[in-house]
Amino acid sequence: EVQLVESGGGLVQPGRSLRLSCAASGFTFDDYAMHWVRQAPGKGLEWVSGISWNSGSIGYADSVKGRFTISRDNAKNSLYLQMNSLRAEDTALYYCAKGAAAGISSWFDPWGQGTLVTVSS
Amino acid sequence: SYVLTQPPSVSVAPGKTARITCGGNNIGSKSVHWYQQKPGQAPVLVIYYDSDRPSGIPERFSGSNSGNTATLTISRVEAGDEADYYCQVWDSSSDHSWVFGGGTKLTVL
Repeated sequence: EVQLVESGGGLVQPGRSLRLSCAASGFTFDDYAMHWVRQAPGKGLEWVSGISWNSGSIGYADSVKGRFTISRDNAKNSLYLQMNSLRAEDTALYYCAKGAAAGISSWFDPWGQGTLVTVSS
Repeated sequence: SYVLTQPPSVSVAPGKTARITCGGNNIGSKSVHWYQQKPGQAPVLVIYYDSDRPSGIPERFSGSNSGNTATLTISRVEAGDEADYYCQVWDSSSDHSWVFGGGTKLTVL
């Protein structure tokens, strides 16, 4: 069974940094792209970033470009999101999702349960 | 950037058919994926490649895509289908990014 477990969320002040992690199991991690998707309280889904199986292709939403960095460690079956210069509008539940293929242009299945990031002073 | 437009809400009586639309410029030329999200839960894929169903998703769920509108159809609606539904496409233009629709709240009357 595929499992994705996010961690690293919490309360952080504006302008500070936070690093999210996603531990994957139940599938061959380095065969698939991975993604981060966020959902602000009471709002819809917003794709944040995606990374291909070998980190050769990476994409970011315009809203986080230059501030967030996605990475993966295939040896540790782990996905990361380094978030710098955090803003109040980054407050959201952050989901880790497995891509359906090696590249970042395939749909997401399944998703983790999310980790909550709150940016507030 | 590419925009997907969904109605905020759709209501349907149990046993009837619900249709949730997703509008976008020439969306028929793109592959559309649909997700179901129940309160307090993570999204679940219900349709991929316009009309394919993942294993475990009931046949009552189907999809179509043509012109400027993609549609998720849920037949014989049950109370357990009440959820938010999101469409998604890959924007292969200059952005090279994933786009989600704003979501549709399906209410079972």
